[in-house]
Amino acid sequence: DSGVTQTPKHLITATGQRVTLRCSPRSGDLSVYWYQQSLDQGLQFLIQYYNGEERAKGNILERFSAQQFPDLHSELNLSSLELGDSALYFCASSVSEGAWGNIQYFGAGTRLSVL
Amino acid sequence: GQQVMQIPQYQHVQEGEDFTTYCNSSTTLSNIQWYKQRPGGHPVFLIQLVKSGEVKKQKRLTFQFGEAKKNSSLHITATQTTDVGTYFCAANFGNEKLTFGTGTRLTIIP
Repeated sequence: DSGVTQTPKHLITATGQRVTLRCSPRSGDLSVYWYQQSLDQGLQFLIQYYNGEERAKGNILERFSAQQFPDLHSELNLSSLELGDSALYFCASSVSEGAWGNIQYFGAGTRLSVL
Repeated sequence: GQQVMQIPQYQHVQEGEDFTTYCNSSTTLSNIQWYKQRPGGHPVFLIQLVKSGEVKKQKRLTFQFGEAKKNSSLHITATQTTDVGTYFCAANFGNEKLTFGTGTRLTIIP
């Protein structure tokens, strides 16, 4: 158990809909990262938050947004869903904001299926 | 953009054979990390390499960081069924963001 909690584990929805994925980081971790992993693909970095503020942006679509709340949990909002958004979405957390010496601990992921 | 190439994409080996995956960058890295993702699981941190030419071992796993800090490798000696999974390198180009490689999926033939 990494200590990172993601809910829900599975999500099935229809095209055009909007969903929210939730992540609770490890106790004491201030950074939260979101990744997308499509079938047989690598990890695509979406966005990073540190202590409530956006720190880095990757290949995140405009239809996607995220935020980190004062209690440090984070939510990833996906809207106007398309079939191609079906993927495994991982949240990871780390103690600090940089990549130097910073281990990322991953949650179990949310599997999103858009039908 | 900054990318790290990881090869091979897939590797099938007989149990007991060795396995190696490589990560290559065209630019110098600050440091590199390795993660393992078991089938149906999530990535788990294995190790971090920081120094030029660094070599670290974890039981049957040997991790190397190139002298120029542009490439890295993970070598598993005498693979076992528990080694099955996808191995990712994650590179830090100095911009404090980890860039993950595409991963190498290892399958073991018993």
